[in-house]
Amino acid sequence: DQQVKQNSPSLSVQEGRISILNCDYTNSMFDYFLWYKKYPAEGPTFLISISSIKDKNEDGRFTVFLNKSAKHLSLHIVPSQPGDSAVYFCAASADGQNFVFGPGTRLSVLP
Amino acid sequence: GAVVSQHPSRVICKSGTSVKIECRSLDFQATTMFWYRQFPKQSLMLMATSNEGSKATYEQGVEKDKFLINHASLTLSTLTVTSAHPEDSSFYICSAHSGTSVYEQYFGPGTRLTVT
Repeated sequence: DQQVKQNSPSLSVQEGRISILNCDYTNSMFDYFLWYKKYPAEGPTFLISISSIKDKNEDGRFTVFLNKSAKHLSLHIVPSQPGDSAVYFCAASADGQNFVFGPGTRLSVLP
Repeated sequence: GAVVSQHPSRVICKSGTSVKIECRSLDFQATTMFWYRQFPKQSLMLMATSNEGSKATYEQGVEKDKFLINHASLTLSTLTVTSAHPEDSSFYICSAHSGTSVYEQYFGPGTRLTVT
């Protein structure tokens, strides 16, 4: 049973518009959440994080929102750029060290 | 930021042989290293956690005798795939944790293993 779900395997967005990537989790013990970006044949790159004491964290064009009651988080990218095209993984942890990854969402930003 | 390297980046081997993959933290000491595996179009799957100087902790379903992990120093962990089979073909990624911050987990570039 997947503890971290990313129900959209792919997403296409026009350049300049907002990209919204969603992530749901089932384990109520999770209290740290990360988003990673991964290009083909490369390792993931850390993008942004949020802990359960917050409901929003912003870093430049990237904002992560956390809804603890719904066990849902989302990553907003605005404005989207072609270089943002990659696979985005949501990851969750209960101890800050061991993370469970979602299956990923492939984002394509169209010029 | 911190750099983690993996060697080799790609390896092709024959069934029945063993392959060693190295993961190095280049500019920090990694108290903990993680090994992940990614199947095509699937998520990263944590295989094992290795702490320097002690035995690795394997996730359920991962054969410890097949995937040998050694974390001999604070900058090097190795994963050896023993008696490789075609189904072991995958993308293996390591990450290193310095222990100073929750979010300081840095990933290596990955190793593409193909077993023929």
